Amino acid sequence: AQSVTQPDIHITVSEGASLELRCNYSYGATPYLFWYVQSPGQGLQLLLKYFSGDTLVQGIKGFEAEFKRSQSSFNLRKPSVHWSDAAEYFCAVVTGTYKYIFGTGTRLKVLA
Amino acid sequence: DAGVIQSPRHEVTEMGQEVTLRCKPISGHDYLFWYRQTMMRGLELLIYFNNNVPIDDSGMPEDRFSAKMPNASFSTLKIQPSEPRDSAVYFCASTPRRAGRSDTQYFGPGTRLTVL
Repeated sequence: AQSVTQPDIHITVSEGASLELRCNYSYGATPYLFWYVQSPGQGLQLLLKYFSGDTLVQGIKGFEAEFKRSQSSFNLRKPSVHWSDAAEYFCAVVTGTYKYIFGTGTRLKVLA
Repeated sequence: DAGVIQSPRHEVTEMGQEVTLRCKPISGHDYLFWYRQTMMRGLELLIYFNNNVPIDDSGMPEDRFSAKMPNASFSTLKIQPSEPRDSAVYFCASTPRRAGRSDTQYFGPGTRLTVL
């Protein structure tokens, strides 16, 4: 069955520290992978996506993610976190019938 | 571009009442999706449309839920009768589908529904 797992429900980091949010997927074919961010009271906004080519993809707000097929992972990273990055982050895979399957999300807290 | 528009932003109703949520997708987008977000179940796809036609409604929880898309610029999600367990944030999203599965979904701000 197709699924997305985000093992960390909550993560707390200090401002300026590096960040890595984990995402593992289960999908039989070539995955189309996305990371979205949701600020409080807002809808989801695309950070970045991967569907082919270079396995390291750059996104908005200084985020990047690396696709590792051997590990079925698509982890999101940022070298230096800003207080405004506090939000909830969702990983998703798109199936062949154009359905998005979202992970349960990781809530990021940033300490000043 | 105004983005995806949802109304109302907040809805409080009593159990047994009919609730109608509305969505206006981005002009020119061919696909429209309805999601429900709760703490317990996360973000769930309820139904999606392609060119106003429902493609997959397997996520609709039960017959109390129905969705329509009478034209390319408007969709509704109706709950009748509503129950307290329907309390959630309901999101609408649209996508142009020009590039296929790599297309970005554009989300509306959501409707927070509270059923007392």
